Amino acid sequence: QSVLTQPPSVSGAPGQRVTISCTGSSSNIGAGYDVHWYQQLPGTAPKLLIYVNTNRPSGVPDRFSGSKSGTSASLAITGLQAEDEADYYCQSYDSSLSGLVFGGGTKLTVL
Amino acid sequence: QVQLQESGPGLVKPSQTLSLTCTVSGGSISSGSYYWSWIRQPAGKGLEWIGRIYTSGSTNYNPSLKSRVSVSVDTSKNQFSLKLSSVTAADTAVYYCARGEGSGWPYYFDYWGQGTLVTVSS
Repeated sequence: QSVLTQPPSVSGAPGQRVTISCTGSSSNIGAGYDVHWYQQLPGTAPKLLIYVNTNRPSGVPDRFSGSKSGTSASLAITGLQAEDEADYYCQSYDSSLSGLVFGGGTKLTVL
Repeated sequence: QVQLQESGPGLVKPSQTLSLTCTVSGGSISSGSYYWSWIRQPAGKGLEWIGRIYTSGSTNYNPSLKSRVSVSVDTSKNQFSLKLSSVTAADTAVYYCARGEGSGWPYYFDYWGQGTLVTVSS
């Protein structure tokens, strides 16, 4: 049971827009700690997708964007493509647990 | 381009110590300001941060594993290592090493190893 809550699954048709939420509390996101996002394709290591809430590493398409407000953060994917089908994880820090925490992960299915 | 590669036994007996090494190439492990970290993922489950060693040598561990975990660095070999003692079946997972970057908590992981499966079984 992660302190960062993500929906287990989301889906969308090619070309559509989907969002993945990451809900925390006053000891993590709500305390002002940054949120990062990772994409994990089947059978591979996670890949950094968004860092410090809204920033994309070089090479990540601008179809991916991140936002943060209050005790939550969101990852938005526009122009959905078949290759986006993967698991997505948010990550932050929790002061009560005194350590890095990941969300439980969200499986994105492209219909 | 920084690359990380995990190595170590794929099978560990219960109650024994799991030992893994991460070899870093494409850059010196002792330069810059990075958090050399270990993360694990049980089959079909999410990611769990285990711990890290900073470039300065300071360490931090997941409180839930702290009593059993140790992370160390060997700058001469450009490697860092994980030791997890008294393992049980619950420690069976894919173990990743990763480089953490950022100005303090929560740093983010910009480079990852491919992961290595460690099974705890007699």
